Amino acid sequence: NAGVTQTPKFRILKIGQSMTLQCTQDMNHNYMYWYRQDPGMGLKLIYYSVGAGITDKGEVPNGYNVSRSTTEDFPLRLELAAPSQTSVYFCASGLGSSYEQYFGPGTRLTVT
Amino acid sequence: QQQVKQSPQSLIVQKGGIPIINCAYENTAFDYFPWYQQFPGKGPALLIAIRPDVSEKKEGRFTISFNKSAKQFSLHIMDSQPGDSATYFCAGRESTLGRLYFGRGTQLTVWP
Repeated sequence: NAGVTQTPKFRILKIGQSMTLQCTQDMNHNYMYWYRQDPGMGLKLIYYSVGAGITDKGEVPNGYNVSRSTTEDFPLRLELAAPSQTSVYFCASGLGSSYEQYFGPGTRLTVT
Repeated sequence: QQQVKQSPQSLIVQKGGIPIINCAYENTAFDYFPWYQQFPGKGPALLIAIRPDVSEKKEGRFTISFNKSAKQFSLHIMDSQPGDSATYFCAGRESTLGRLYFGRGTQLTVWP
């Protein structure tokens, strides 16, 4: 049982490039989340999904897109990367709307 | 706008001391208040949580105190150890959609 896995661990993008951050969970959780963590700012919700085919915006969705075609996978797409998207990105999953969310190890993204 | 305000930003104590981290909220739609612990290079993990109708909850050396009328809650770590050195996040769970709103985090260092 691997829990929540994220790839890649690190990535450097040039301004204007695009990329997809991958997230997979093997706990059969219906809810999945994407957060970004900036120093001293806590965790901000980007997008979340309550099940396959259903996604919704969080607090900071601009510049990102998501899709959820299966229960296990919840990729995050960055289009036209900007320096403001330099951050550590965490994927999480949970059973229903439980306050217990299981986080992946994170992806550290730098946009230069 | 930060829905959960957390202080202090950083905290240094000696081994055996009792660090206290404080949080405050305004949103009365919050129905659970979890605390997450994050070690460097890892994703956050649930530490302990409390409902607003409970004034105190203990799990091992970790205690949450909750003051509903003041809309404040705090985490106390008894007999702190160097292994408790981590970043701690308080959060509120919004009851209708189950989303978590995190504080900005407190970086705790426990000196041996």
